[in-house]
Amino acid sequence: AQRVTQPEKLLSVFKGAPVELKCNYSYSGSPELFWYVQYSRQRLQLLLRHISRESIKGFTADLNKGETSFHLKKPFAQEEDSAMYYCAIRDDKIIFGKGTRLHILP
Amino acid sequence: DAMVIQNPRYQVTQFGKPVTLSCSQTLNHNVMYWYQQKSSQAPKLLFHYYDKDFNNEADTPDNFQSRRPNTSFCFLDIRSPGLGDAAMYLCATSRAGMGEETQYFGPGTRLLVL
Repeated sequence: AQRVTQPEKLLSVFKGAPVELKCNYSYSGSPELFWYVQYSRQRLQLLLRHISRESIKGFTADLNKGETSFHLKKPFAQEEDSAMYYCAIRDDKIIFGKGTRLHILP
Repeated sequence: DAMVIQNPRYQVTQFGKPVTLSCSQTLNHNVMYWYQQKSSQAPKLLFHYYDKDFNNEADTPDNFQSRRPNTSFCFLDIRSPGLGDAAMYLCATSRAGMGEETQYFGPGTRLLVL
């Protein structure tokens, strides 16, 4: 069965420092991977999807099939990046990881 | 703005008393989902409707039912809520079959069972 693992429950990063939120997956096929974000008191929303290969709010994520990873990265953290981030994989349904809470320190 | 709406935002019910959570959408999406999210856990899919076709997850308890009377509305019925059913319930929609699989989430309904 496909699975998504986010090893960090909480990640604290100073403003201006690089951010990397880790995501590893297990899947026997060509995965479709996503990052969803939930800001405080807001709804869960899509941040980016790997097939788009786009940068959203300065975040990028590269699918590494060799390492089965889809880490989310941003070179310079901003305070407004503080949120809950969920990695997700899609087969016939979307399966979410348990999430990582990103806390940007001033 | 087109969106996914969930009512109420907070629902308190008693142990064993049936409760219904509502979701509506103005996106005209053909797929609607219900997720359960407990504290510090990932959202867990309960079931979804692909148009009128109901798809139940294998591990969704029989206590949970759903209705979709039309494209815009979907309901989650919990027949006999237990204390373990207290959670955030998320509704989501997507436009499957059109190359766009992004899910759009509502704000959620937090259910408290007394």
